[in-house]
Amino acid sequence: AQSVTQPDIHITVSEGASLELRCNYSYGATPYLFWYVQSPGQGLQLLLKYFSGDTLVQGIKGFEAEFKRSQSSFNLRKPSVHWSDAAEYFCAVGNGGATNKLIFGTGTLLAVQP
Amino acid sequence: DAGVIQSPRHEVTEMGQEVTLRCKPISGHNSLFWYRQTMMRGLELLIYFNNNVPIDDSGMPEDRFSAKMPNASFSTLKIQPSEPRDSAVYFCASSGDRGSNEQYFGPGTRLTVT
Repeated sequence: AQSVTQPDIHITVSEGASLELRCNYSYGATPYLFWYVQSPGQGLQLLLKYFSGDTLVQGIKGFEAEFKRSQSSFNLRKPSVHWSDAAEYFCAVGNGGATNKLIFGTGTLLAVQP
Repeated sequence: DAGVIQSPRHEVTEMGQEVTLRCKPISGHNSLFWYRQTMMRGLELLIYFNNNVPIDDSGMPEDRFSAKMPNASFSTLKIQPSEPRDSAVYFCASSGDRGSNEQYFGPGTRLTVT
């Protein structure tokens, strides 16, 4: 069965510092991987996705993520965090099936210190 | 495109009343998902449809919950009778490309049952 683990429930970083949010998945084949962001009071917005090909994918708002099959990971990174990045971040995995169902992690809440 | 549209954005009702949440998916999308989000339980998949047909409703918490998708452009989630523990944010999401797993979320309906 597919599963997603986000080991960090809450992370605080200083504005301008680099960021890495961890995501580990369990899936037998090549997964479809996603990162979503949820700002307070908003719905989830797709940041980036990985289906195949280049293992380093670029997303919106200056985010990137790297797929590492050997580590079953898909960590999200940003070189310099802005105060507006404070939000909750969700990693998700799909199997490419026709129903488009996703399995979501429990989320990581990011706080940004001035 | 207007994105996924949900109504109402906020709903306050008394225990025992019927509540109907509405969703209009992105035009052309053939998969629709209903989620519930609470602090305690995080993001939960309640039910999803493919081509207007319910595929998996195992996440629906009780018989008080029901969902319909009478056509490709409209879905409802009904709670009857509502209870205070149903208070949550309910999200609708849709997905288009068959097998892409990429879901687009609506802004959510914040339900408060007193």
